[in-house]
Amino acid sequence: NAGVTQTPKFQVLKTGQSMTLQCAQDMNHEYMSWYRQDPGMGLRLIHYSVGAGITDQGEVPNGYNVSRSTTEDFPLRLLSAAPSQTSVYFCASRGTPFANTEAFFGQGTRLTVV
Amino acid sequence: DAKTTQPNSMESNEEEPVHLPCNHSTISGTDYIHWYRQLPSQGPEYVIHGLTSNVNNRMASLAIAEDRKSSTLILHRATLRDAAVYYCIRIQGAQKLVFGQGTRLTINP
Repeated sequence: NAGVTQTPKFQVLKTGQSMTLQCAQDMNHEYMSWYRQDPGMGLRLIHYSVGAGITDQGEVPNGYNVSRSTTEDFPLRLLSAAPSQTSVYFCASRGTPFANTEAFFGQGTRLTVV
Repeated sequence: DAKTTQPNSMESNEEEPVHLPCNHSTISGTDYIHWYRQLPSQGPEYVIHGLTSNVNNRMASLAIAEDRKSSTLILHRATLRDAAVYYCIRIQGAQKLVFGQGTRLTINP
């Protein structure tokens, strides 16, 4: 059971480039989310999804785009990378959106924008 | 504000119990308290969660105050592997895990 898988693990982008961070889970979880973590700080929610075809914004959505066409996958797109988006990105999934279910996190993608 | 309040850092010795406090004074009746920890260079890892009564699992115990305004994560016998940042999270509504700064736990050999 792989859990939550994120690819790539590391990425360097030039300012203005676009890319997609991949997230896949094999637990048939309804709820998926993306967080970013800046040095010495906690995680901040970017976007989340409560099921295929349904997405919503979190705390820091600007500059990011998401879609959810399948239950398994929840890609995060950077439309035009900026140095301020240098961060570690974590994807998470939960079996349901409800508060009594635990979250599973991927190992993260470390992104540097130069 | 749905965030919780935790000490920035704590230190303990190997093989001793550790009590990590968390304040959540504005918690509402249906909010759960979750604890996660993050080891260096890894994603957060679920530890435990609860609503009103104390909870135990193989990793830790969670003691929730009777008024639910605070809780304590208890590691019964700390090991070096327990050195991590511990996050106490109050679930907002049905969907969001809102992370604060967490407590950086150092374990001395």
